Amino acid sequence: AQSVTQLGSHVSVSEGALVLLRCNYSSSVPPYLFWYVQYPNQGLQLLLKYTTGATLVKGINGFEAEFKKSETSFHLTKPSAHMSDAAEYFCAVSDQTGANNLFFGTGTRLTVIP
Amino acid sequence: GAVVSQHPSWVICKSGTSVKIECRSLDFQATTMFWYRQFPKQSLMLMATSNEGSKATYEQGVEKDKFLINHASLTLSTLTVTSAHPEDSSFYICSARDAAGGGNSPLHFGNGTRLTVT
Repeated sequence: AQSVTQLGSHVSVSEGALVLLRCNYSSSVPPYLFWYVQYPNQGLQLLLKYTTGATLVKGINGFEAEFKKSETSFHLTKPSAHMSDAAEYFCAVSDQTGANNLFFGTGTRLTVIP
Repeated sequence: GAVVSQHPSWVICKSGTSVKIECRSLDFQATTMFWYRQFPKQSLMLMATSNEGSKATYEQGVEKDKFLINHASLTLSTLTVTSAHPEDSSFYICSARDAAGGGNSPLHFGNGTRLTVT
């Protein structure tokens, strides 16, 4: 079975500061990991995903995440926050690439302070 | 890129009435679509998998007679909330996978429908 824990339901950063959103997963099989962003009253947009290969994954809008098996983590980072990054971010895990059985974390709301 | 259109984006209905939500894949065909529900400050929960031309597969705890799913074509799935009650108020999101991409193609999400039952 898979599950995801996102530490911190709300993260605030200043514009230009580092963004770090934490995600830890639990999986009985090699995981496939995803980060999605959700803007108010909108659906989810895929930011990036890890399937196999390189553990540092680069996504859209300058975000990246590193798969650390030893720490069962897949934290999302961005070197410099923009006002437009303010949104809800969801980490998800599945046991197959693109499978419907995505298990989502509870989300982290990112606020960017001007 | 692949676009999933969900309609309406928001709806208010009276308790006891039914509401239909549409999910369309605009530029690809989707043999499988998925319906999620999101409560405030909570994550998305998969409700059901909608299969074109066959019955939907519901997750445990989801009432199939209350949440009717129809996937009549390769580009359209509908979710009907029957006899809606205030506790059905939520944000409903659909997603779809491009059939041409196979099981490895990514999910594309609609923009969601906010349902408020008064």
